[in-house]
Amino acid sequence: AQSVTQPDIHITVSEGASLELRCNYSYGATPYLFWYVQSPGQGLQLLLKYFSGDTLVQGIKGFEAEFKRSQSSFNLRKPSVHWSDAAEYFCAVGAPYGGSQGNLIFGKGTKLSVKP
Amino acid sequence: EAQVTQNPRYLITVTGKKLTVTCSQNMNHEYMSWYRQDPGLGLRQIYYSMNVEVTDKGDVPEGYKVSRKEKRNFPLILESPSPNQTSLYFCASSLSAFRGSPLHFGNGTRLTVT
Repeated sequence: AQSVTQPDIHITVSEGASLELRCNYSYGATPYLFWYVQSPGQGLQLLLKYFSGDTLVQGIKGFEAEFKRSQSSFNLRKPSVHWSDAAEYFCAVGAPYGGSQGNLIFGKGTKLSVKP
Repeated sequence: EAQVTQNPRYLITVTGKKLTVTCSQNMNHEYMSWYRQDPGLGLRQIYYSMNVEVTDKGDVPEGYKVSRKEKRNFPLILESPSPNQTSLYFCASSLSAFRGSPLHFGNGTRLTVT
């Protein structure tokens, strides 16, 4: 069965430091991968997505993610974190069409705190 | 503005009192879905709909009902709420159920059942 693992529940980084959030997936075919961000009191917003082609994808707010098939990973990165990046981040993989889990399977999320 | 609108944002109710959380999207999306979010459990899908009059159970459908009479609306109904349904609920929509189709989320409904 398809699954998504985000190994880090909570990460704290200093403002201006680099960030990497980990995501590992289990999927039998070429995955469709997404990163979403949830700011406090808000719904989830799409940061970026990977379907095929270049394995390094750029998203909004200065984020990027790299797909590594050999490691079944899709880690999210940002070179310099801003205080406004404090939020919860969710990795997701596209489920099979018409599957019982609908169209996306989510990881459990990583909460990012930013120190001044 | 393209959006998914949920109402209400906050709801406190008592056990057994029927309630409906509304969800509407203005993007002409075919696919709509309800999730609940609980600490440590992430997002779990309750029900989804691939088009008008087509709905199906997600991972945690017990205690919930949905309907899809019009393309834009997908209300979530709790016929007899219980305290274990206290949660943060999100409605989402996408162009289709195709696995590459990104979801657009509403801002959530925080439900407390006492």
